[in-house]
Amino acid sequence: AQSVTQPDIHITVSEGASLELRCNYSYGATPYLFWYVQSPGQGLQLLLKYFSGDTLVQGIKGFEAEFKRSQSSFNLRKPSVHWSDAAEYFCAVGAPSGTYKYIFGTGTRLKVLA
Amino acid sequence: DGGITQSPKYLFRKEGQNVTLSCEQNLNHDAMYWYRQDPGQGLRLIYYSQIVNDFQKGDIAEGYSVSREKKESFPLTVTSAQKNPTAFYLCASTDTGELFFGEGSRLTVL
Repeated sequence: AQSVTQPDIHITVSEGASLELRCNYSYGATPYLFWYVQSPGQGLQLLLKYFSGDTLVQGIKGFEAEFKRSQSSFNLRKPSVHWSDAAEYFCAVGAPSGTYKYIFGTGTRLKVLA
Repeated sequence: DGGITQSPKYLFRKEGQNVTLSCEQNLNHDAMYWYRQDPGQGLRLIYYSQIVNDFQKGDIAEGYSVSREKKESFPLTVTSAQKNPTAFYLCASTDTGELFFGEGSRLTVL
């Protein structure tokens, strides 16, 4: 079955510390991969995406993610977290062609300590 | 600016009433989606439409209905048959593989 797993429900880091949010997926082929961020009561904003090519992708707000095919993972990283990064982060996969159906993880809520 | 507009942002409903959530996009996207978000459950797909006058049920379509009479509009009706309609509803669209989201509508049943 197709699925996306974000094993960490909550993560707390200090401002200035590095961050890694984990995402593993189960899919028949290499899907499109996404990370979205959501502030409370708001919609989701795309941080970055992977369709093909270079497995290390750069996104907005200083985020990056690395696609590892052998591990079926697409972990999100940031070298130095800012207080404004506190939000909920969602990993998602989508079909590479044809029907655009997407599967979302359950999210990781990030808390940043001053 | 192009984007997706959802309205209303907040909506209160009495049990037994149908309500319709609006979703309008000016991105010229063919595909549009409705998701339901509950705490700790991520996003669950209600309905999606890939083209005007066509739509498909998602994973949790029971108690919901949609229409797609215009490319830019994809309204969602939450019917009285939906047993637990209190939730945050998100509309999205795509044309290139990545989803663009509206700001959401929070529905509360009193």
